[in-house]
Amino acid sequence: AQSVTQLDSHVSVSEGTPVLLRCNYSSSYSPSLFWYVQHPNKGLQLLLKYTSAATLVKGINGFEAEFKKSETSFHLTKPSAHMSDAAEYFCVVRLSGYSTLTFGKGTMLLVSP
Amino acid sequence: DGGITQSPKYLFRKEGQNVTLSCEQNLNHDAMYWYRQDPGQGLRLIYYSQIVNDFQKGDIAEGYSVSREKKESFPLTVTSAQKNPTAFYLCASTQTGERNQPQHFGDGTRLSIL
Repeated sequence: AQSVTQLDSHVSVSEGTPVLLRCNYSSSYSPSLFWYVQHPNKGLQLLLKYTSAATLVKGINGFEAEFKKSETSFHLTKPSAHMSDAAEYFCVVRLSGYSTLTFGKGTMLLVSP
Repeated sequence: DGGITQSPKYLFRKEGQNVTLSCEQNLNHDAMYWYRQDPGQGLRLIYYSQIVNDFQKGDIAEGYSVSREKKESFPLTVTSAQKNPTAFYLCASTQTGERNQPQHFGDGTRLSIL
């Protein structure tokens, strides 16, 4: 079985400070991992994906994520938050051989001026 | 531009009524998915289809039905058997064959009860 745990339901930062959104997964096999962002009343947009080519993955809008197999983590980071980053973020897992995804419950990122 | 179009953006259902949500994609993707999103619960899979004329139940299929008569279309019907239909519904698609292919999402339909 696979599952995804996003450790924080809400994260608040000030504009210009670093962002850390935490995600742990449980999977018996080598997973595919994704981060998506969702703005209000919109669909999900892909930020980045882990493809096993490199443990540090760079995505759009300055976001990065590091795959740590020993810690079963795939945390999302950004050096400096922007007001436009305020949104909900989802960590997503897919097992090899499966076409379906398992979503975390989401982390709402709040950015204050 | 290629993408996924969901319509309508907002939909209201009367008690005992069936309603159909539209999802069309021009990405030439084989697989399509329907999700339900409730606050604080992430996305839950309702139905998915990997090929025309075939579909599978997801985790919460009860009270819903789908069809896949054309590759580009995957409509979802919310039946009167679904007692709590109020939610945000998202359609997605992906190309099959490579496990790292992400899913692409439409902008959703918000369904409410009158």
